[in-house]
Amino acid sequence: ILNVEQSPQSLHVQEGDSTNFTCSFPSSNFYALHWYRWETAKSPEALFVMTLNGDEKKKGRISATLNTKEGYSYLYIKGSQPEDSATYLCASNTGGFKTIFGAGTRLFVKA
Amino acid sequence: NAGVTQTPKFQVLKTGQSMTLQCAQDMNHNSMYWYRQDPGMGLRLIYYSASEGTTDKGEVPNGYNVSRLNKREFSLRLESAAPSQTSVYFCASSQGTLYEQYFGPGTRLTVT
Repeated sequence: ILNVEQSPQSLHVQEGDSTNFTCSFPSSNFYALHWYRWETAKSPEALFVMTLNGDEKKKGRISATLNTKEGYSYLYIKGSQPEDSATYLCASNTGGFKTIFGAGTRLFVKA
Repeated sequence: NAGVTQTPKFQVLKTGQSMTLQCAQDMNHNSMYWYRQDPGMGLRLIYYSASEGTTDKGEVPNGYNVSRLNKREFSLRLESAAPSQTSVYFCASSQGTLYEQYFGPGTRLTVT
């Protein structure tokens, strides 16, 4: 079983700050990297699925990059808003259907 | 279009009791998954079904069984519940490994 590590565990920022988180995963047998957003009392919702080294994806103020050779992905949030407060999960596939999730980065955005 | 539905939402069991968690999706997805989520840990895959008629073990399958009843439904059974199975259980579905997973609302299970 491969390990997916996320850092930091939690992050407190002010409204308007830009922030970023890291997801580290074993680079061997890489297949896909997923990012999810999980609000309290709700279910995880998909943000991005990334497969190619150098991939960059963007959705509104949120973007992500992928480096499969060194085994990391960054998630960026530009101009954080209170509604961005959530846990951000990354998950790695090494082929097949087994998806390994990290423990998440919990973001708190203060107005 | 309900997406992924799970029943029940909450359940309390005594050690040794059995129960089945139900999951259904209306998105015509081929693949379905069961995860458990414990404090301080990520979602851990219990079992998955790549397509109708197939099931495979995930990371933490011990103490659980699954049935892919048809393309829509994927159930998780605890034959003899243990306190270590106290957790929140999520069902998910996807078109395949390169696609995002859609999650149900979760079932909060407590085993006393």
